[in-house]
Amino acid sequence: GAVVSQHPSWVICKSGTSVKIECRSLDFQATTMFWYRQFPKQSLMLMATSNEGSKATYEQGVEKDKFLINHASLTLSTLTVTSAHPEDSSFYICSAGRPFRGEQYFGPGTRLTVT
Amino acid sequence: TQLLEQSPQFLSIQEGENLTVYCNSSSVFSSLQWYRQEPGEGPVLLVTVVTGGEVKKLKRLTFQFGDARKDSSLHITAAQPGDTGLYLCAGENVLDKIIFGKGTRLHILP
Repeated sequence: GAVVSQHPSWVICKSGTSVKIECRSLDFQATTMFWYRQFPKQSLMLMATSNEGSKATYEQGVEKDKFLINHASLTLSTLTVTSAHPEDSSFYICSAGRPFRGEQYFGPGTRLTVT
Repeated sequence: TQLLEQSPQFLSIQEGENLTVYCNSSSVFSSLQWYRQEPGEGPVLLVTVVTGGEVKKLKRLTFQFGDARKDSSLHITAAQPGDTGLYLCAGENVLDKIIFGKGTRLHILP
């Protein structure tokens, strides 16, 4: 299967600071990437769809000004958590692929802890 | 809002036993995927089913997509400790959105 990487794998930051998470598709070009958030012992919740060269599409209830998404190239999407608060602490996972063909590959995830 | 209900939420059985995990919805999905996730890692795709009634086998795992494409099941034969993990089903709806079930946490006792 395709390989998707994320960086960093784990980050601890202070409340009020911003954190950027990178998602890369290593062996294929992805016009669309997806960002999910997963709280402990819960399933994945889709936050937004990242579209290369255009604005991201956010799910209901997700603040677009707080979770900035940039998809500047076919292999890289970034998620910036701005003015992070402890309640933003979570496991953030990206995926890339062609979902309408049932092909979606997930990154290893980034664990964010806001103190 | 489309929902995918997974059952059971948690299952602990002895090594060698068989088990079935269910994924149900009142909505139709164009495709359905099953993933397995280890703690601290991203989900890993096990299988994608697309056609109603489709059955796919992956060693001791058998996946079935309902005839109406609203439900799916995962059957594991002779479970092994290495099967322990969180199993997630995810459906792609007609709007190309991927919706995840809440997962089934499986624990196989040696």
